[in-house]
Amino acid sequence: NAGVTQTPKFRILKIGQSMTLQCAQDMNHNYMYWYRQDPGMGLKLIYYSVGAGITDKGEVPNGYNVSRSTTEDFPLRLELAAPSQTSVYFCASRFGQGKGYEQYFGPGTRLTVT
Amino acid sequence: GDSVTQMEGPVTLSEEAFLTINCTYTATGYPSLFWYVQYPGEGLQLLLKATKADDKGSNKGFEATYRKETTSFHLEKGSVQVSDSAVYFCALNYGGSQGNLIFGKGTKLSVKP
Repeated sequence: NAGVTQTPKFRILKIGQSMTLQCAQDMNHNYMYWYRQDPGMGLKLIYYSVGAGITDKGEVPNGYNVSRSTTEDFPLRLELAAPSQTSVYFCASRFGQGKGYEQYFGPGTRLTVT
Repeated sequence: GDSVTQMEGPVTLSEEAFLTINCTYTATGYPSLFWYVQYPGEGLQLLLKATKADDKGSNKGFEATYRKETTSFHLEKGSVQVSDSAVYFCALNYGGSQGNLIFGKGTKLSVKP
């Protein structure tokens, strides 16, 4: 299993540009998450999904959109990029909804908006 | 709201030293508690977890005990190695349909030979 994969690893955007961060998992997990990690801070939840076709906002959703057309893929869309979106983005997935289930993380995408 | 507080870093130790990273939490219910580790340039990996009070999680020589009376989940290792250099995150999770992790800010550990 490849686990959770993310592309690209790095990206530089100009202010106002748009892009999609890709995330895929091959573990047949229903639950998927997008987090952002700012320097010296823990991770903050952007959006999550409990299955194909179902998404919901997390703590910091403004400026982002998601879709979940398949179990495997959970792309994150940035529209009109702003410097405040400079961060490292992590995708994660989880098998079940019990509180003991761990989340599996991808390697991250480092995004700089200038 | 729920939150996790970790000791400030960075922490610098010599090889074979004893490690403690403090973690306390505020929770309205009965979450599970986790320690995740992030090696340089990588994503987060689960290090250990505990799902109820008095449970002890352990892995790779690291241990942490879920203490409900002190709302703590301190990470310990008896003898650190250079390869333990990483950022360590304490987190809590209630599960359920949302089930997102609530993270502390992370503690950076550097181990010198």
